[in-house]
Amino acid sequence: ELKVEQNPLFLSMQEGKNYTIYCNYSTTSDRLYWYRQDPGKSLESLFVLLSNGAVKQEGRLMASLDTKARLSTLHITAAVHDLSATYFCAVVWGSGTYKYIFGTGTRLKVLA
Amino acid sequence: SQTIHQWPATLVQPVGSPLSLECTVEGTSNPNLYWYRQAAGRGLQLLFYSVGIGQISSEVPQNLSASRPQDRQFILSSKKLLLSDSGFYLCAWRTTVGTQYFGPGTRLLVL
Repeated sequence: ELKVEQNPLFLSMQEGKNYTIYCNYSTTSDRLYWYRQDPGKSLESLFVLLSNGAVKQEGRLMASLDTKARLSTLHITAAVHDLSATYFCAVVWGSGTYKYIFGTGTRLKVLA
Repeated sequence: SQTIHQWPATLVQPVGSPLSLECTVEGTSNPNLYWYRQAAGRGLQLLFYSVGIGQISSEVPQNLSASRPQDRQFILSSKKLLLSDSGFYLCAWRTTVGTQYFGPGTRLLVL
């Protein structure tokens, strides 16, 4: 069974600081997705990583994928309050299927 | 552009009552569609997915069912709700590269 774990589960950080969220998955998958969820809202797509070594950046967020280590990171640079949200990674499960397993989520709070 | 709708937005139902949640997608044809449930403060649990009309795959045994009567319509149902069915229900469709776009969700409270 595929397991997707994120750490930390909760993260409180000061504005201007850098931090990294980790997403580990237990079986082979060549695609990984990052989403953002604001409180009480639905999920919004951030990044899609389609191959080993893929790196995507948008504003203060940068995501990378290491399929050999089964690890993805979401790096936050110079955090601002607007980045406060819960971040989820998701992995496609099984070859030829499109079933997604979501990580546990990381709740980020950026303090002014 | 593609849009995805869900209704109702919120629902309060007594235990044992039936349920019907609807999801529709505009601007794409033959989408893969998904139903997820999110318990308060938790991650997403895949409930059902569909690759076409009448084709439903169930991921978690439970008292819920899904149907896809039309290409861009996905319905989640229950004959008798349980307290544990409370949660935030999200419908999503998938792009060709696998990115999922989610609807606004239905918040269900079973009392």
